[in-house]
Amino acid sequence: SYGLTQPISVSVAPGQTATITCEGFDIGPTNIHWYQRKAGQAPVVVIYRDTTRPSGISARFSGSKSGNTATLTITAAQGGDEADYYCQMWDSGTALFGGGTKLTVL
Amino acid sequence: QVRLQQWGVGLLKPSETLSLTCGVSGGAFTAYYWNWIRQTPEKGLEWIGEVADDGRAKYNPSLRSRVALSIDTSKNQFSLRLNSVTAADTAVYFCARTRSSVDAFKWFDPWGQGTLVTVSS
Repeated sequence: SYGLTQPISVSVAPGQTATITCEGFDIGPTNIHWYQRKAGQAPVVVIYRDTTRPSGISARFSGSKSGNTATLTITAAQGGDEADYYCQMWDSGTALFGGGTKLTVL
Repeated sequence: QVRLQQWGVGLLKPSETLSLTCGVSGGAFTAYYWNWIRQTPEKGLEWIGEVADDGRAKYNPSLRSRVALSIDTSKNQFSLRLNSVTAADTAVYFCARTRSSVDAFKWFDPWGQGTLVTVSS
């Protein structure tokens, strides 16, 4: 099996665009899902199957994938977007998560 | 809207058995897969396993020898047991739902509120 690599932290100014990457060997054929976890709360899916945004999630969140890198993009970042973000996939019957990226809006 | 509410003992001694239960309300219970995931500062999010409504379970190979998942469809509940715990099992434990029988199409939604389990002598 192989892991998913995310940057430990990303900082963005309010109103600007934040991008969080998730790299993994040969993730092209599979699906990447993204979760947001705010302090003290349970994780929430913000993007599933690479690019699909669940109902109730702001249109400012979008997902993409190219080659071995999946990207979560948050446009017009707000203070309320500060959270840890995790990517996830399945490999050989086991769910795998990236190490998480702490997004700071400052 | 489906809601997952979990409960269980939060403080254990080494070698004891961790036991958590997750109750499902506000939505269908059958035709879904029910999961346990834990989070530690050292290892981040770690999937523990899933159980289907017919009782079939699948486990993370790293925990398979110590874990058992069960389900009670009459009560809309599913449970986790992890035996021979050590300090390394100290974590926040979450229950979560997935659908689809195809792994690639499974994402976790929703999640329970999380339970901090501490293993300490």
